[in-house]
Amino acid sequence: KAGVTQTPRYLIKTRGQQVTLSCSPISGHRSVSWYQQTPGQGLQFLFEYFSETQRNKGNFPGRFSGRQFSNSRSEMNVSTLELGDSALYLCASSLGYEAFFGQGTRLTVV
Amino acid sequence: TQLLEQSPQFLSIQEGENLTVYCNSSSVFSSLQWYRQEPGEGPVLLVTVVTGGEVKKLKRLTFQFGDARKDSSLHITAAQPGDTGLYLCAGDWSNDYKLSFGAGTTVTVRA
Repeated sequence: KAGVTQTPRYLIKTRGQQVTLSCSPISGHRSVSWYQQTPGQGLQFLFEYFSETQRNKGNFPGRFSGRQFSNSRSEMNVSTLELGDSALYLCASSLGYEAFFGQGTRLTVV
Repeated sequence: TQLLEQSPQFLSIQEGENLTVYCNSSSVFSSLQWYRQEPGEGPVLLVTVVTGGEVKKLKRLTFQFGDARKDSSLHITAAQPGDTGLYLCAGDWSNDYKLSFGAGTTVTVRA
């Protein structure tokens, strides 16, 4: 059974640009969550989607957005990138209360 | 805002020694998970506990959930270098579809 797949694994972007990250959940999982991990703040919750609807959102600015498609695949977008957005972005899929994470996308903003 | 405190922040021990990591909250958890993460990778789920007083074992790892469901511990017996990693606890307090993570404990097991 395939795990959670995130693409791309690594990204380098310039300040002011925008970026889109992709996540394919475990087959049969309809809930997808996104987290940002930085050395200073640890793992912080961005948002969660279920059946194409956002059910919860963390305390991040509106530059961070996401969506989920009918096949449960999800994307997150960050617009007007700032240096502080450099982080490991993690996607997790869930069937119940257990979250299974992908390998993450390492975003570096220069 | 619920806070989840994890201690210690760092732990460095010799192969064969035992170690314990703690996770505490002022609020009651609906469920609590422990993860292990290696550098540049995503966290890997080790265990989920939901019942107060629950004890789960995974080879040399023992997980305990407090009776009041506000705290948990992870104990590793006879640690090995392969146990090295960042151990994270994550709690769900109100079934609101999000996990809150502790800051993590970086465990280093020296050969």
